[in-house]
Amino acid sequence: GAGVSQSPRYKVAKRGQDVALRCDPISGHVSLFWYQQALGQGPEFLTYFQNEAQLDKSGLPSDRFFAERPEGSVSTLKIQRTQQEDSAVYLCASSLGSPSSGNTIYFGEGSWLTVV
Amino acid sequence: AQRVTQPEKLLSVFKGAPVELKCNYSYSGSPELFWYVQYSRQRLQLLLRHISRESIKGFTADLNKGETSFHLKKPFAQEEDSAMYYCALSGGGGFYGGATNKLIFGTGTLLAVQP
Repeated sequence: GAGVSQSPRYKVAKRGQDVALRCDPISGHVSLFWYQQALGQGPEFLTYFQNEAQLDKSGLPSDRFFAERPEGSVSTLKIQRTQQEDSAVYLCASSLGSPSSGNTIYFGEGSWLTVV
Repeated sequence: AQRVTQPEKLLSVFKGAPVELKCNYSYSGSPELFWYVQYSRQRLQLLLRHISRESIKGFTADLNKGETSFHLKKPFAQEEDSAMYYCALSGGGGFYGGATNKLIFGTGTLLAVQP
């Protein structure tokens, strides 16, 4: 495909609502990441998948955040009972292999979440 | 603690002037350092990594382990260089899976090149 694709691009949620953000990585990419970028900040790591295995979820801020990649391709980041501090851009990224082996990470355009 | 610091939120220079975007890091080990760039209305993309030791679009960056710095430099700025620049590190080391694959980003520096 053309690159990492994310949907929706923009989401406005009422406080307390659940949201689901989708990521389509580049075809064949084994590694997939989610990052959260608050206004005026750099991206912050949330979680990392190698195929369908979630190898690192140390960045998920609370148990309201849940990510899955059941078939090792498309991934969904779910946020339950959204709160105002969840307002941010959520970036998905993928790489062909493990980045620690020198593979370049490619980012999507992001999903802009505003909680009102 | 692992941290990347970019002290300047905004750097404004004139076209043709030299540019240096500062980046300092703290990491107990051997990190891999990167510069990422985000042009207006485009996605975040890799500019260069210290391991490659290459020049991309005229930019270079040297890893100084003594000063724990990875400043980005270009001798003559162009208007098309105007963008948001992020310095980032990963743990390096290369064991399969785990935290070494995540990137830790700085807060970014907005480079504005004036005509």
